[in-house]
Amino acid sequence: DTAVSQTPKYLVTQMGNDKSIKCEQNLGHDTMYWYKQDSKKFLKIMFSYNNKELIINETVPNRFSPKSPDKAHLNLHINSLELGDSAVYFCASSRGTGNQPQHFGDGTRLSIL
Amino acid sequence: GDSVTQMEGPVTLSEEAFLTINCTYTATGYPSLFWYVQYPGEGLQLLLKATKADDKGSNKGFEATYRKETTSFHLEKGSVQVSDSAVYFCALLQGAQKLVFGQGTRLTINP
Repeated sequence: DTAVSQTPKYLVTQMGNDKSIKCEQNLGHDTMYWYKQDSKKFLKIMFSYNNKELIINETVPNRFSPKSPDKAHLNLHINSLELGDSAVYFCASSRGTGNQPQHFGDGTRLSIL
Repeated sequence: GDSVTQMEGPVTLSEEAFLTINCTYTATGYPSLFWYVQYPGEGLQLLLKATKADDKGSNKGFEATYRKETTSFHLEKGSVQVSDSAVYFCALLQGAQKLVFGQGTRLTINP
């Protein structure tokens, strides 16, 4: 059983397009996250939601908009894609907001042509 | 702000060699510390963690000890295997669940 699943696994699209990445977790966690991993493998948090409420919003262009319809889902919508958005995007989840480990999905590799 | 620094990679070892990957951190307060591993084409998996000073995390033969005096959390394994080849990330967690990662260390084990 997949604990944190992201779709699609690969996304290739043209500059200027709008695209979405979906994330679902079946762990019963109430906190979910989006991370971006660049070509040098550097990982940085973008957003965090707890019980559908935004709690972390790092310095991310407002072209990126997370949406959490319920505790088990956190989708990422990106408008007007740019070349610099090419990266691997990871979804993660954890129980609560204490020092609990985060569980990661397998990532979505986004390539902008 | 909080930060994590890992030893520069890539690291290449022979099977059964001893492994150390250095990790130091800068943080206010007392963060929890983690090692995550990323196998090729996969997401990150939690390898081990320590939540307070002098705690030792261990899993799959890997160990790391939370050293407050040296602000370090070095990863060690006594005898590596080819299947340990992956990218290893040291991370700290403090406050509102914001994991701060090091830059990652790519490890390759040759048979």
